[in-house]
Amino acid sequence: DTGVSQDPRHKITKRGQNVTFRCDPISEHNRLYWYRQTLGQGPEFLTYFQNEAQLEKSRLLSDRFSAERPKGSFSTLEIQRTEQGDSAMYLCASSFKRAVSYNEQFFGPGTRLTVL
Amino acid sequence: DQQVKQNSPSLSVQEGRISILNCDYTNSMFDYFLWYKKYPAEGPTFLISISSIKDKNEDGRFTVFLNKSAKHLSLHIVPSQPGDSAVYFCAAGETSGSRLTFGEGTQLTVNP
Repeated sequence: DTGVSQDPRHKITKRGQNVTFRCDPISEHNRLYWYRQTLGQGPEFLTYFQNEAQLEKSRLLSDRFSAERPKGSFSTLEIQRTEQGDSAMYLCASSFKRAVSYNEQFFGPGTRLTVL
Repeated sequence: DQQVKQNSPSLSVQEGRISILNCDYTNSMFDYFLWYKKYPAEGPTFLISISSIKDKNEDGRFTVFLNKSAKHLSLHIVPSQPGDSAVYFCAAGETSGSRLTFGEGTQLTVNP
């Protein structure tokens, strides 16, 4: 399977705990994105990386959230001191962006986070 | 500020008929558009895209139409099949940018 993979698929945690999610993109893709999706809404952009550089962060990404892509391959998204409002599906996507082209993003299956 | 809107939360069609899903956008900077399909407990699956230099793109049973003056796009599925039942998201982006902006989704149900 050469698609985007995410781990874990489900995470239940108690309010105040820290959680970390992992995303493995399609191997030849140079861009990696994190989105969040809540019930009845479309995915909302959180942040993206080009190779190992984090180039853009949404205002949705509070200081409790941190993302890394240390070697330009897999990425982690950490949420510290989780709150019930963090409960959502966290989606990772990847793409190969050429100089002058638009980029189709391919999504993983998501990590469903439930904060009790 | 909802820059991409899908005004129909749901659509029900008979197998074999045409499904038409609609999407409107407000940001004139968007220059490419995509449709994704999503099944429960899965991530969105890319279906078809269109650049703003075109007004139509076809891929098998799926055709996307873009009306730039009206800031409107639509996805036509013909013939519709029960396996097409899913939530469909419209998304828009800028070639110079990175993020995609998604609509709220339309639940399509194709009845046998």
